[in-house]
Amino acid sequence: DAGVIQSPRHEVTEMGQEVTLRCKPISGHNSLFWYRQTMMRGLELLIYFNNNVPIDDSGMPEDRFSAKMPNASFSTLKIQPSEPRDSAVYFCASSPYDGGAPDTQYFGPGTRLTVL
Amino acid sequence: AQSVSQHNHHVILSEAASLELGCNYSYGGTVNLFWYVQYPGQHLQLLLKYFSGDPLVKGIKGFEAEFIKSKFSFNLRKPSVQWSDTAEYFCAVSSNTGKLIFGQGTTLQVKP
Repeated sequence: DAGVIQSPRHEVTEMGQEVTLRCKPISGHNSLFWYRQTMMRGLELLIYFNNNVPIDDSGMPEDRFSAKMPNASFSTLKIQPSEPRDSAVYFCASSPYDGGAPDTQYFGPGTRLTVL
Repeated sequence: AQSVSQHNHHVILSEAASLELGCNYSYGGTVNLFWYVQYPGQHLQLLLKYFSGDPLVKGIKGFEAEFIKSKFSFNLRKPSVQWSDTAEYFCAVSSNTGKLIFGQGTTLQVKP
């Protein structure tokens, strides 16, 4: 199995631009999580989906952030417009969790976002 | 609200020293517990997990953790660390809403 796949691995953009991060979860996993990691705030859960449905988006910072999961094999995290404080590493993780007790989450390699 | 507390933010050890990283959680119900490791520049990887059964759990690379329910703790241990164990370590606990609650992480630096 290829594991969780994220693209791009690195993104450098200018303030005000739209940024789209992509994630392909492990096949058969029905939960998907988006995290943000910074030195100041550590690892933060932004949103998670179960069976393609957003379950908890309480960690999404503000309306500039949006996430979609149109099917079981693809999710996007969009920032529009981007700001320098959005610079971070964004991780996607997937899990076989299906409503019972949460199971192991498998993390992707991350996207390092720099907003100038 | 559920929370996870890792007491040590930054630990520096010499090779062959023993390691213990503390982790306490606040939830009193049934929980699943995890330790993840993040090597420099890499993503989080699972070290070990506890769901039920023997409270002493053995993971990869010689790590182990002990679940002590009465203390709400899940401390990570390794008898003899190596330089390659330099990394950040995260404790996590399952919530009753389907997500994992992560601690703030402990940075371990092992001096050769």
